Amino acid sequence: TQLLEQSPQFLSIQEGENLTVYCNSSSVFSSLQWYRQEPGEGPVLLVTVVTGGEVKKLKRLTFQFGDARKDSSLHITAAQPGDTGLYLCAGTLGSGNTGKLIFGQGTTLQVKP
Amino acid sequence: EPEVTQTPSHQVTQMGQEVILRCVPISNHLYFYWYRQILGQKVEFLVSFYNNEISEKSEIFDDQFSVERPDGSNFTLKIRSTKLEDSAMYFCASTLTFFNYGYTFGSGTRLTVV
Repeated sequence: TQLLEQSPQFLSIQEGENLTVYCNSSSVFSSLQWYRQEPGEGPVLLVTVVTGGEVKKLKRLTFQFGDARKDSSLHITAAQPGDTGLYLCAGTLGSGNTGKLIFGQGTTLQVKP
Repeated sequence: EPEVTQTPSHQVTQMGQEVILRCVPISNHLYFYWYRQILGQKVEFLVSFYNNEISEKSEIFDDQFSVERPDGSNFTLKIRSTKLEDSAMYFCASTLTFFNYGYTFGSGTRLTVV
């Protein structure tokens, strides 16, 4: 079974703090994506990374794909209450690829003002 | 910004009834998917569809499930005889190419089987 393990599952921090969410697997992924999901809505894509060691920035969010393409991280600098939400990592495998996404269980982030 | 549209947003059905969940993917996308999310659990893959046929399906996608792209714009998921455990959010997603490209998800259909 291919699994993506996300940690932590829950995170509650004060506005202005930094945080990192991790996504780990024993499998090699051809791509890794991060989504944000609001209650009752579908996941919304934040970023896609495909190259080992790749780093992408989206304002205060920094995404990294591990060198071996087995793990990824999402770092938020100076978190704001508007960052509150559920963050999901999801990946596609290389072999027999149909584009199926394997999701992590998600990290619920609460940023208190 | 192009959207994936799903209807209905909420469907309540009796156990044993057939339901059809509808999706309109982004018009130039080529790959189509259904996922489901049981309350409090992770998003799970159901089926992928490309070139007018199923390219992969999960163990969840048994004979009670079927998908169709009847007219080149709609993409439907049919559950033939619903069970209580089919209650979940069902998400449709589409992408132009799944390499180095993200997926666009619809807002989902909340299916409640009573």
